[in-house]
Amino acid sequence: QVQLQESGPGLVKPSQTLSLTCTVSGDSISGGYYWTWIRQHPGKGLEWIGYIYYSGSTYYRPSLRSRATISLDTSNNQFSLKLSFVTAADTAMYFCARVSGHSGYGDYWGQGTLVTVSS
Amino acid sequence: QSVLTQPPSVSGAPGQRVTISCTGSSSNIGAGYDVHWYQQLPGTAPKLLIYGNRNRPSGVPDRFSGSKSGTSASLAITGLQAEDEADYYCQSYDSSLSNSGVLFGGGTKLTVL
Repeated sequence: QVQLQESGPGLVKPSQTLSLTCTVSGDSISGGYYWTWIRQHPGKGLEWIGYIYYSGSTYYRPSLRSRATISLDTSNNQFSLKLSFVTAADTAMYFCARVSGHSGYGDYWGQGTLVTVSS
Repeated sequence: QSVLTQPPSVSGAPGQRVTISCTGSSSNIGAGYDVHWYQQLPGTAPKLLIYGNRNRPSGVPDRFSGSKSGTSASLAITGLQAEDEADYYCQSYDSSLSNSGVLFGGGTKLTVL
């Protein structure tokens, strides 16, 4: 059974960098999927942040492209998100997911981790 | 405002049929990209409900069905049950310069009366 688990600080100060890691079990991140970050602002809908293909190619939401970086750690079967220069508008639940195909669907999701941006 | 438009809320009595629409444009659904649907219960991660416009993952009841036509898609739920009360999201892909990438609809809250 494929499982994903997000981890990282729950509180980040404004202007700093948010760093999250998604640990994957039951599948190899080198196996051909798009490893994805999605967030959900409190009480709002889902927002795609970006994904990384197993080859290392990355794709980002246009509005976040200048601040987001997604990377793979194949030795630990993890992938990560870094979001720089955060503001209160980045406070959200962050989910990692496995997506099948460039325009595909998320078939496995992590439970999510809440990140609050506050001084 | 989401590029994929869903009604904010729908409701129905137990046993009834409800539909949730997802309206896009020529750069996403109308361009031939697949539509997928998710169910999100309160406090949980989204769960894949329909993929590839009309396919159900293993374990999803056949009360849930999806369709797509032109620049829109729909999720239908028949035999409504109390446990279906949740938020539902459509998802597709957009190829325009300003919105390129994965898109989600704004979500629809289903209330079972």
